[in-house]
Amino acid sequence: DAGITQSPRYKITETGRQVTLMCHQTWSHSYMFWYRQDLGHGLRLIYYSAAADITDKGEVPDGYVVSRSKTENFPLTLESATRSQTSVYFCASQGTEAFFGQGTRLTVV
Amino acid sequence: GQQVMQIPQYQHVQEGEDFTTYCNSSTTLSNIQWYKQRPGGHPVFLIQLVKSGEVKKQKRLTFQFGEAKKNSSLHITATQTTDVGTYFCAGPRDSSYKLIFGSGTRLLVRP
Repeated sequence: DAGITQSPRYKITETGRQVTLMCHQTWSHSYMFWYRQDLGHGLRLIYYSAAADITDKGEVPDGYVVSRSKTENFPLTLESATRSQTSVYFCASQGTEAFFGQGTRLTVV
Repeated sequence: GQQVMQIPQYQHVQEGEDFTTYCNSSTTLSNIQWYKQRPGGHPVFLIQLVKSGEVKKQKRLTFQFGEAKKNSSLHITATQTTDVGTYFCAGPRDSSYKLIFGSGTRLLVRP
């Protein structure tokens, strides 16, 4: 089935650990995005990608790294997790409109 | 920088009452999109408006795009408990393919 999937759905990690959130889409959309959603801040863009091997920073990129070696995958890595990165993370792929994954609820303790 | 604001932040209504959320952009938008996020869920696309002054309806939902293409509204007639969620507007960021989202309006409906 066509869609966009994120994994894991829930993650608890310790401060200082590296964490990778996975995102996979089956539409072959060129554009993919990572957002974080926090109370009072809505959806904030972390990183985005216009195509394989093309990525760029969004509003809040500090502490995050992305890669896009294949069109369908867009993993987000927290290099050294901090408590301020506790959030809900959404991956999205975009044609005319954005299609969001189910989200990853990340807690950094 | 470019901003997209939504008001109100929260709205608590009695089932059957109407509801409206307003979206205002600091810049002219080529189009505006609306999304709905149910509690615990992810944003889901509702509609896109492109033309100045455009009005579109989806059952009890009416979407408008302002004449100046800087504001938009979503009106729900006779709310139902299934309308509960957060409604976001979004427009192209800096005229690019990236979207900038409004802060959202959270709708709560008392049965």
